[in-house]
Amino acid sequence: AQSVTQLGSHVSVSEGALVLLRCNYSSSVPPYLFWYVQYPNQGLQLLLKYTTGATLVKGINGFEAEFKKSETSFHLTKPSAHMSDAAEYFCAVSDSSYKLIFGSGTRLLVRP
Amino acid sequence: KAGVTQTPRYLIKTRGQQVTLSCSPISGHRSVSWYQQTPGQGLQFLFEYFSETQRNKGNFPGRFSGRQFSNSRSEMNVSTLELGDSALYLCASSLAKRVEEKLFFGSGTQLSVL
Repeated sequence: AQSVTQLGSHVSVSEGALVLLRCNYSSSVPPYLFWYVQYPNQGLQLLLKYTTGATLVKGINGFEAEFKKSETSFHLTKPSAHMSDAAEYFCAVSDSSYKLIFGSGTRLLVRP
Repeated sequence: KAGVTQTPRYLIKTRGQQVTLSCSPISGHRSVSWYQQTPGQGLQFLFEYFSETQRNKGNFPGRFSGRQFSNSRSEMNVSTLELGDSALYLCASSLAKRVEEKLFFGSGTQLSVL
């Protein structure tokens, strides 16, 4: 069975600092991996996804993630945090079944 | 292009009642998925419909059901509501020609069961 683990339910960074949100997955088949962001009182918005090919994936708003098969990880990074990045971030995995398995989410707090 | 529209935005029901939530996907999208979001359980997959057929179902009791109409609009129904059904219910649509396609989420229906 597939699963996703996000380390840290809350991450706090200063504006301008590096953002690192951790995600590890478990999958018996080559996975499709996603990062979604949820702003207050809104639905989820796709930041980026990995399907095949290049393991470093660039997404919107300056975010990127690297797929590391040997570590079963798909960590999300951004070089410099902005106040507008404050939101909840979800890592998700999918196989061939048209459903997403989400992690428990990480709330990112950005300090001025 | 209009996004995914979910109605109503907020809903208050009492235990034992039944509720129907509606989702209108982005024009041209034929797949609609439903997710339940709670503070305790996070985001959990309910079911996915494509061209009026349920292709996948999550691990929820039979009180949770859904359907999709020929215009791709979808409804989900919860019968005999329990307190634990209080949650944000999110609908997502996609073209779904490939399983890894991007999902577009609506803002959700916040259901409170009293």
